[in-house]
Amino acid sequence: DGGITQSPKYLFRKEGQNVTLSCEQNLNHDAMYWYRQDPGQGLRLIYYSQIVNDFQKGDIAEGYSVSREKKESFPLTVTSAQKNPTAFYLCASKQGPHTGELFFGEGSRLTVL
Amino acid sequence: EDQVTQSPEALRLQEGESSSLNCSYTVSGLRGLFWYRQDPGKGPEFLFTLYSAGEEKEKERLKATLTKKESFLHITAPKPEDSATYLCAVQANSRDSGNTPLVFGKGTRLSVIA
Repeated sequence: DGGITQSPKYLFRKEGQNVTLSCEQNLNHDAMYWYRQDPGQGLRLIYYSQIVNDFQKGDIAEGYSVSREKKESFPLTVTSAQKNPTAFYLCASKQGPHTGELFFGEGSRLTVL
Repeated sequence: EDQVTQSPEALRLQEGESSSLNCSYTVSGLRGLFWYRQDPGKGPEFLFTLYSAGEEKEKERLKATLTKKESFLHITAPKPEDSATYLCAVQANSRDSGNTPLVFGKGTRLSVIA
């Protein structure tokens, strides 16, 4: 079955540590996105990539980094510079510029202890 | 700046009690308006895309409508399994690309009681 796989589903980290969240898709989609969701908040865009080896900052990129070395993969690193990293992280993909709907993964919940 | 406001924040209905959720938006040229359903601890699931004022889409007990300033998600005779958070999002027109990211509202948390 085609879809988006995020891992790990739950992650705990100590303050000062970097952590990388994985996002893999087998839908052959060009564009991929990372959103953050906090309780009572909407989804806020962290980074997005429209094509391999290219990505753009979203509204809340500070303290995060990404790479897009392969079409299928768009990992997100939460660095120690992110002041409030505890959140639910969602990865999504879109087929291309002529379709609007995003397909989402199941999310990764990061808790900083 | 593109903005999406959803109301109410939370809605509690009895099974069979029809109602509507509102999504007001301001956007620099609407490319599309999207409705998603999100269950607790899960990723959002796509429901509808609306492109122009007057357009309507239906799926089971749900019907989405669009005007130039807002969209409604009508729920007819809801069942407990319709309980979820419903998210609205807009995509603005862009000269550069059709991959302009979606801007999301905060959602409406719907509870349907048997």
